[in-house]
Amino acid sequence: AQSVTQLGSHVSVSEGALVLLRCNYSSSVPPYLFWYVQYPNQGLQLLLKYTSAATLVKGINGFEAEFKKSETSFHLTKPSAHMSDAAEYFCAVSDHGSGNTGKLIFGQGTTLQVKP
Amino acid sequence: SAVISQKPSRDICQRGTSLTIQCQVDSQVTMMFWYRQQPGQSLTLIATANQGSEATYESGFVIDKFPISRPNLTFSTLTVSNLSPEDSSIYLCSVEPGANEQFFGPGTRLTVL
Repeated sequence: AQSVTQLGSHVSVSEGALVLLRCNYSSSVPPYLFWYVQYPNQGLQLLLKYTSAATLVKGINGFEAEFKKSETSFHLTKPSAHMSDAAEYFCAVSDHGSGNTGKLIFGQGTTLQVKP
Repeated sequence: SAVISQKPSRDICQRGTSLTIQCQVDSQVTMMFWYRQQPGQSLTLIATANQGSEATYESGFVIDKFPISRPNLTFSTLTVSNLSPEDSSIYLCSVEPGANEQFFGPGTRLTVL
Protein backbone atom coordinates (compact mmCIF):
# COMPACT_ATOMS: atom_id res chain seq x y z
CA ALA A 1 0.00 0.00 0.00
CA GLN A 2 1.12 3.54 -0.64
CA SER A 3 1.12 6.40 1.82
CA VAL A 4 2.42 9.92 2.24
CA THR A 5 3.51 11.71 5.38
CA GLN A 6 3.99 15.44 5.50
CA LEU A 7 6.03 16.50 8.48
CA GLY A 8 4.70 19.70 9.97
CA SER A 9 1.10 20.71 9.51
CA HIS A 10 2.08 24.35 9.76
CA VAL A 11 5.27 26.07 8.60
CA SER A 12 5.98 29.75 9.09
CA VAL A 13 8.79 31.62 7.32
CA SER A 14 9.73 35.22 6.80
CA GLU A 15 9.46 36.79 3.39
CA GLY A 16 12.70 36.13 1.52
CA ALA A 17 13.63 33.11 3.62
CA LEU A 18 14.04 29.53 2.43
CA VAL A 19 10.92 27.44 2.20
CA LEU A 20 11.24 23.74 3.05
CA LEU A 21 8.16 21.52 3.16
CA ARG A 22 8.82 17.89 4.00
CA CYS A 23 7.25 14.85 2.41
CA ASN A 24 8.06 11.19 2.94
CA TYR A 25 6.38 8.41 1.05
CA SER A 26 5.89 4.70 1.19
CA SER A 27 5.35 2.72 -1.98
CA SER A 28 5.74 -0.88 -3.05
CA VAL A 29 6.38 0.18 -6.64
CA PRO A 30 8.53 2.96 -8.10
CA PRO A 31 6.45 5.99 -7.20
CA TYR A 32 5.10 8.91 -9.08
CA LEU A 33 5.15 11.90 -6.74
CA PHE A 34 3.42 15.26 -6.89
CA TRP A 35 3.19 18.55 -5.07
CA TYR A 36 -0.03 20.53 -5.29
CA VAL A 37 -0.87 23.96 -3.90
CA GLN A 38 -4.30 25.07 -2.77
CA TYR A 39 -5.00 28.75 -2.30
CA PRO A 40 -7.93 29.74 -0.08
CA ASN A 41 -11.29 28.84 -1.59
CA GLN A 42 -9.70 27.43 -4.73
CA GLY A 43 -9.00 24.02 -6.21
CA LEU A 44 -5.62 22.34 -6.41
CA GLN A 45 -2.88 23.47 -8.75
CA LEU A 46 -0.02 21.20 -9.74
CA LEU A 47 3.35 22.62 -8.72
CA LEU A 48 5.57 19.82 -9.96
CA LYS A 49 5.78 16.10 -10.50
CA TYR A 50 8.30 13.26 -10.43
CA THR A 51 7.68 10.35 -12.77
CA SER A 52 11.00 8.46 -12.73
CA ALA A 53 13.01 10.90 -14.83
CA ALA A 54 15.39 13.48 -13.34
CA THR A 55 15.48 13.33 -9.55
CA LEU A 56 15.58 17.12 -9.20
CA VAL A 57 12.31 18.47 -10.45
CA LYS A 58 11.63 22.13 -11.11
CA GLY A 59 8.11 23.45 -10.97
CA ILE A 60 6.17 26.64 -11.24
CA ASN A 61 6.62 29.75 -9.11
CA GLY A 62 10.26 28.95 -8.33
CA PHE A 63 9.58 25.71 -6.45
CA GLU A 64 11.60 22.56 -6.85
CA ALA A 65 11.74 19.13 -5.23
CA GLU A 66 14.29 16.37 -5.08
CA PHE A 67 13.40 12.69 -5.16
CA LYS A 68 15.64 10.73 -2.80
CA LYS A 69 14.95 7.04 -2.98
CA SER A 70 17.30 6.16 -0.12
CA GLU A 71 15.41 8.51 2.17
CA THR A 72 11.97 7.89 0.62
CA SER A 73 11.58 11.65 0.52
CA PHE A 74 10.34 14.29 -1.88
CA HIS A 75 10.80 17.58 -0.05
CA LEU A 76 9.63 20.84 -1.62
CA THR A 77 11.88 23.89 -1.53
CA LYS A 78 11.96 27.49 -2.68
CA PRO A 79 15.01 29.68 -2.09
CA SER A 80 13.11 32.85 -1.26
CA ALA A 81 9.56 32.98 0.04
CA HIS A 82 7.08 35.50 -1.27
CA MET A 83 3.92 36.65 0.43
CA SER A 84 1.90 35.12 -2.39
CA ASP A 85 3.26 31.67 -1.50
CA ALA A 86 1.03 31.52 1.57
CA ALA A 87 -1.26 28.55 0.92
CA GLU A 88 -1.89 24.89 1.70
CA TYR A 89 0.55 22.45 0.12
CA PHE A 90 -0.17 18.80 -0.50
CA CYS A 91 2.24 16.03 -1.37
CA ALA A 92 0.76 13.05 -3.21
CA VAL A 93 1.83 9.65 -4.46
CA SER A 94 0.24 7.92 -7.38
CA ASP A 95 -1.13 4.43 -7.59
CA HIS A 96 -0.09 4.44 -11.19
CA GLY A 97 -0.30 1.82 -13.83
CA SER A 98 -0.83 1.48 -17.54
CA GLY A 99 0.75 4.86 -18.12
CA ASN A 100 -1.63 6.95 -16.07
CA THR A 101 -1.57 8.37 -12.58
CA GLY A 102 -4.69 6.68 -11.37
CA LYS A 103 -5.57 7.20 -7.74
CA LEU A 104 -3.70 9.96 -5.93
CA ILE A 105 -2.97 9.42 -2.26
CA PHE A 106 -2.50 12.71 -0.47
CA GLY A 107 -0.61 13.71 2.61
CA GLN A 108 -2.33 15.67 5.33
CA GLY A 109 -1.16 18.99 3.96
CA THR A 110 1.12 21.75 5.22
CA THR A 111 -0.06 25.29 5.72
CA LEU A 112 2.64 27.74 4.73
CA GLN A 113 2.53 31.13 6.42
CA VAL A 114 4.78 33.89 5.11
CA LYS A 115 5.47 36.76 7.46
CA PRO A 116 6.45 40.19 6.20
CA SER B 1 -3.75 20.74 -19.60
CA ALA B 2 -7.48 20.90 -18.92
CA VAL B 3 -9.89 23.53 -17.71
CA ILE B 4 -12.50 22.19 -15.34
CA SER B 5 -15.61 23.86 -14.05
CA GLN B 6 -17.90 22.68 -11.27
CA LYS B 7 -21.44 23.62 -10.39
CA PRO B 8 -22.53 24.69 -7.89
CA SER B 9 -19.49 26.34 -6.33
CA ARG B 10 -21.15 26.09 -2.94
CA ASP B 11 -24.46 25.10 -1.44
CA ILE B 12 -26.20 24.82 1.87
CA CYS B 13 -28.53 21.84 2.13
CA GLN B 14 -30.90 20.40 4.67
CA ARG B 15 -30.37 17.08 6.31
CA GLY B 16 -31.93 14.20 4.36
CA THR B 17 -31.85 15.90 0.98
CA SER B 18 -29.44 15.29 -1.90
CA LEU B 19 -27.06 17.45 -3.87
CA THR B 20 -25.86 16.80 -7.41
CA ILE B 21 -22.54 18.30 -8.41
CA GLN B 22 -21.63 18.79 -12.04
CA CYS B 23 -18.13 18.63 -13.48
CA GLN B 24 -17.44 19.93 -16.99
CA VAL B 25 -14.12 19.64 -18.81
CA ASP B 26 -13.01 21.61 -21.84
CA SER B 27 -11.59 18.55 -23.59
CA GLN B 28 -12.39 14.88 -23.90
CA VAL B 29 -10.86 12.75 -21.18
CA THR B 30 -11.19 9.10 -20.37
CA MET B 31 -10.53 9.20 -16.67
CA MET B 32 -12.33 11.42 -14.21
CA PHE B 33 -12.03 11.30 -10.45
CA TRP B 34 -14.12 12.54 -7.54
CA TYR B 35 -12.45 13.52 -4.28
CA ARG B 36 -13.72 14.67 -0.91
CA GLN B 37 -11.92 17.14 1.32
CA GLN B 38 -13.41 17.26 4.79
CA PRO B 39 -12.88 20.41 6.87
CA GLY B 40 -9.22 20.83 7.72
CA GLN B 41 -8.39 17.49 6.14
CA SER B 42 -6.63 16.20 3.09
CA LEU B 43 -8.25 14.83 -0.04
CA THR B 44 -9.69 11.34 -0.24
CA LEU B 45 -10.66 9.64 -3.47
CA ILE B 46 -14.34 8.72 -3.63
CA ALA B 47 -14.45 7.03 -7.01
CA THR B 48 -13.02 6.81 -10.49
CA ALA B 49 -15.46 7.43 -13.33
CA ASN B 50 -14.51 6.23 -16.77
CA GLN B 51 -16.84 6.84 -19.66
CA GLY B 52 -18.64 3.73 -20.77
CA SER B 53 -18.25 1.78 -17.56
CA GLU B 54 -19.55 1.79 -14.02
CA ALA B 55 -17.71 3.98 -11.55
CA THR B 56 -15.20 2.28 -9.29
CA TYR B 57 -15.62 3.20 -5.63
CA GLU B 58 -12.94 3.32 -2.98
CA SER B 59 -13.24 1.55 0.32
CA GLY B 60 -15.71 3.34 2.54
CA PHE B 61 -17.72 4.85 -0.30
CA VAL B 62 -20.80 3.20 -1.79
CA ILE B 63 -22.86 3.82 -4.88
CA ASP B 64 -26.11 4.31 -2.97
CA LYS B 65 -24.62 7.24 -1.10
CA PHE B 66 -22.52 8.68 -3.93
CA PRO B 67 -24.06 7.79 -7.30
CA ILE B 68 -22.00 8.96 -10.25
CA SER B 69 -22.91 9.46 -13.87
CA ARG B 70 -20.51 9.76 -16.77
CA PRO B 71 -22.61 10.25 -19.91
CA ASN B 72 -19.79 11.45 -22.16
CA LEU B 73 -16.09 12.27 -22.26
CA THR B 74 -16.44 15.84 -21.01
CA PHE B 75 -19.00 15.62 -18.23
CA SER B 76 -19.73 13.84 -14.98
CA THR B 77 -22.01 14.27 -11.99
CA LEU B 78 -21.64 13.22 -8.39
CA THR B 79 -24.71 13.04 -6.18
CA VAL B 80 -24.37 13.05 -2.43
CA SER B 81 -27.53 11.41 -1.11
CA ASN B 82 -29.39 11.47 2.18
CA LEU B 83 -27.25 14.29 3.47
CA SER B 84 -26.05 14.51 7.04
CA PRO B 85 -23.82 17.12 8.67
CA GLU B 86 -20.89 14.70 8.31
CA ASP B 87 -21.14 15.18 4.53
CA SER B 88 -20.15 18.82 4.87
CA SER B 89 -16.99 18.94 2.77
CA ILE B 90 -15.45 20.24 -0.39
CA TYR B 91 -16.01 17.92 -3.32
CA LEU B 92 -13.55 18.11 -6.19
CA CYS B 93 -13.43 16.47 -9.55
CA SER B 94 -10.21 15.88 -11.41
CA VAL B 95 -9.21 14.63 -14.82
CA GLU B 96 -6.14 13.11 -16.35
CA PRO B 97 -5.86 14.21 -19.96
CA GLY B 98 -2.43 12.62 -20.31
CA ALA B 99 1.24 13.00 -19.38
CA ASN B 100 0.72 11.69 -15.86
CA GLU B 101 -0.94 14.82 -14.55
CA GLN B 102 -4.24 15.28 -12.81
CA PHE B 103 -6.00 18.61 -13.03
CA PHE B 104 -8.54 19.64 -10.44
CA GLY B 105 -11.70 21.63 -10.59
CA PRO B 106 -12.32 24.53 -8.20
CA GLY B 107 -14.42 22.38 -5.90
CA THR B 108 -17.94 22.49 -4.52
CA ARG B 109 -18.27 23.53 -0.90
CA LEU B 110 -21.20 21.73 0.72
CA THR B 111 -22.63 22.64 4.09
CA VAL B 112 -25.33 20.41 5.57
CA LEU B 113 -27.53 21.82 8.30
